[in-house]
Amino acid sequence: EDKVVQSPLSLVVHEGDTVTLNCSYEVTNFRSLLWYKQEKKAPTFLFMLTSSGIEKKSGRLSSILDKKELFSILNITATQTGDSAVYLCAVPNVLIQGAQKLVFGQGTRLTINP
Amino acid sequence: NAGVTQTPKFQVLKTGQSMTLQCAQDMNHNSMYWYRQDPGMGLRLIYYSASEGTTDKGEVPNGYNVSRLNKREFSLRLESAAPSQTSVYFCASSEYISRVDETQYFGPGTRLLVL
Repeated sequence: EDKVVQSPLSLVVHEGDTVTLNCSYEVTNFRSLLWYKQEKKAPTFLFMLTSSGIEKKSGRLSSILDKKELFSILNITATQTGDSAVYLCAVPNVLIQGAQKLVFGQGTRLTINP
Repeated sequence: NAGVTQTPKFQVLKTGQSMTLQCAQDMNHNSMYWYRQDPGMGLRLIYYSASEGTTDKGEVPNGYNVSRLNKREFSLRLESAAPSQTSVYFCASSEYISRVDETQYFGPGTRLLVL
C-alpha cells in the first residue's frame, strides 16, 4: 500500500530558528514529490521534486529529495511567525486516465513563537 | 482568475440530511478531485474526475456521490449525512496532461459538521 509519513507531527520553535521537516514515502511508480503549505484554508503549492540531490529553493525555504533512501526534507531558515502552518508532503501514484492520485502524509504542524 | 472556488464555506447538517458541495475552476483544467481532511489523517481522496464525462472512486468513496456537470464544475453529494462525515472538504483541479511536473490546485475548503 502506498504510504507517505511525515515527521515530526508537531513542532514549536522561536522566531529566527531553522527547522527541518521530514517526509518519507513508499510509492510504486514514483514520479515526483510535492510540498504544500496549509495555513487556515487551502493547501498552497511550494515545491515539486523529481530528481535526487537537486535542491529547490524559494527565499528562506528549500527542499531536497533522496530517491535512494526514499525521503525528502523541507528546510526553513530564519523562521518568521508567518511560517506557522501545516506543511504537507504528497506523492502522486498511479496515473488513472491522466489524473494523478495524490497520497498525502499526515502533515507537520509548525508553530513559530515570537 | 479566481482559481478553484467552493461553496458553501461552512455547513451544519443533522444526521440523515442531504446536501451538495459545489466546486468550480476557471483554469481550463481537465481533472478535478474531492478530498476530505480529518485531524491526523492528512488529505484523503474521495472521488475524482479525470476529464469531463468521467468519474471514479478514490480511497474513501462510501456515502458520497459526484457529478462532473461540465468542464468547470464538479459537485459532491452526501445523500444521508452521518457524524463520521464531519470533516473539511477540499476540491482540487489539475491539467489533464500526464506530465511529471503536474500539480494540483486547491479550493478554500468547506467545513462540514454533522450532528
